[in-house]
Amino acid sequence: SQQGEEDPQALSIQEGENATMNCSYKTSINNLQWYRQNSGRGLVHLILIRSNEREKHSGRLRVTLDTSKKSSSLLITASRAADTASYFCATVYSGAGSYQLTFGKGTKLSVIP
Amino acid sequence: NAGVMQNPRHLVRRRGQEARLRCSPMKGHSHVYWYRQLPEEGLKFMVYLQKENIIDESGMPKERFSAEFPKEGPSILRIQQVVRGDSAAYFCASSPLGGAIIQETQYFGPGTRLLVL
Repeated sequence: SQQGEEDPQALSIQEGENATMNCSYKTSINNLQWYRQNSGRGLVHLILIRSNEREKHSGRLRVTLDTSKKSSSLLITASRAADTASYFCATVYSGAGSYQLTFGKGTKLSVIP
Repeated sequence: NAGVMQNPRHLVRRRGQEARLRCSPMKGHSHVYWYRQLPEEGLKFMVYLQKENIIDESGMPKERFSAEFPKEGPSILRIQQVVRGDSAAYFCASSPLGGAIIQETQYFGPGTRLLVL
């Protein structure tokens, strides 16, 4: 299975702290993407990192990718209560069927005001 | 520019009935993807369609499920004779260029939450 795995499954932090979520996957990928899902809502695309990139920033988000370890991390700095959501990594496989997004089960982040 | 639209947002069906889920992609997008999310799970790919073509339905259950994306109108995911196990959130995503451009972002709709009683 290509499915990624995020850890931790749930994370609770105080507002202002940093939140780090990790994602591991199993196959060669073309790119890895992080999405946010607020409870009962759709997915919002956060950031895409290509397989030849090691780090990417977007606002308070920092994503790293280590293809040798088949892992990625998402760091949210100076968290806010509004960051409370589930965060999913999704990989795009580098072979046939390379349009499919393969999602992990997600990390539930709770930011306590 | 409106995002991906899905309707209905919530759908309740009794076992044995049919469920029809609709998805209108973003303007200018001709590639549609359907995903299913079971409770406490990530999304699972079901099917990828272009206008009037099913490109990949490898994630679709072999029976009772079908999808189409006609030349005019929204994409439809149809579930016949629903069972309780079909209860899930069904998400549609769209992209402008599709599988040939493999680093393309897919834009997701708000989902349809299907509850089978």
